Amino acid sequence: DVKVTQSSRYLVKRTGEKVFLECVQDMDHENMFWYRQDPGLGLRLIYFSYDVKMKEKGDIPEGYSVSREKKERFSLILESASTNQTSMYLCASSLGKRTEAFFGQGTRLTVV
Amino acid sequence: DQQVKQNSPSLSVQEGRISILNCDYTNSMFDYFLWYKKYPAEGPTFLISISSIKDKNEDGRFTVFLNKSAKHLSLHIVPSQPGDSAVYFCAASAGSNYQLIWGAGTKLIIKP
Repeated sequence: DVKVTQSSRYLVKRTGEKVFLECVQDMDHENMFWYRQDPGLGLRLIYFSYDVKMKEKGDIPEGYSVSREKKERFSLILESASTNQTSMYLCASSLGKRTEAFFGQGTRLTVV
Repeated sequence: DQQVKQNSPSLSVQEGRISILNCDYTNSMFDYFLWYKKYPAEGPTFLISISSIKDKNEDGRFTVFLNKSAKHLSLHIVPSQPGDSAVYFCAASAGSNYQLIWGAGTKLIIKP
């Protein structure tokens, strides 16, 4: 079974803090994604990566950056957390372009 | 502008009956569609997919129908079971694009 593991289930951070969300997958997948999920909006893509050290902006990259130094690990960084970044963050990985994505359990981030 | 729309935020169905979840899309370039299921506090899990060269795909109790002329797809669950209570997302992609475009989700409630 594919396993995608996110480092935290719940996080509470203060406004202005730098926040790191970590994601690790164990199936040698090429592609990794970071989404946020908000009620009524579905999943919105923040960034994705199709190879080590490669990254592409998704729909809502503002206020975020990413890092992929190793194939199995994809990190999402909130440079200066704000209250409007309170959300559920979901990491996913996939093998190819037209294959299903496998998701981690999600990180519920609250910024106060 | 939402390219993938799930117009029903919620749906309630009696256990044992058929559940029909609907999804409309506007981008005629979409050629691959997926359904995911999500329980609270968990990441989405892949259910079933369909390519635009088909109009139906079946997997056990789950069947997805695609009507390209109407730009509409539906997910049928027969018979509905209590464990099917979850939020269902449809997603679509176009050609060689990595990115999935997601609907807002439909919460399915199976009544005993």
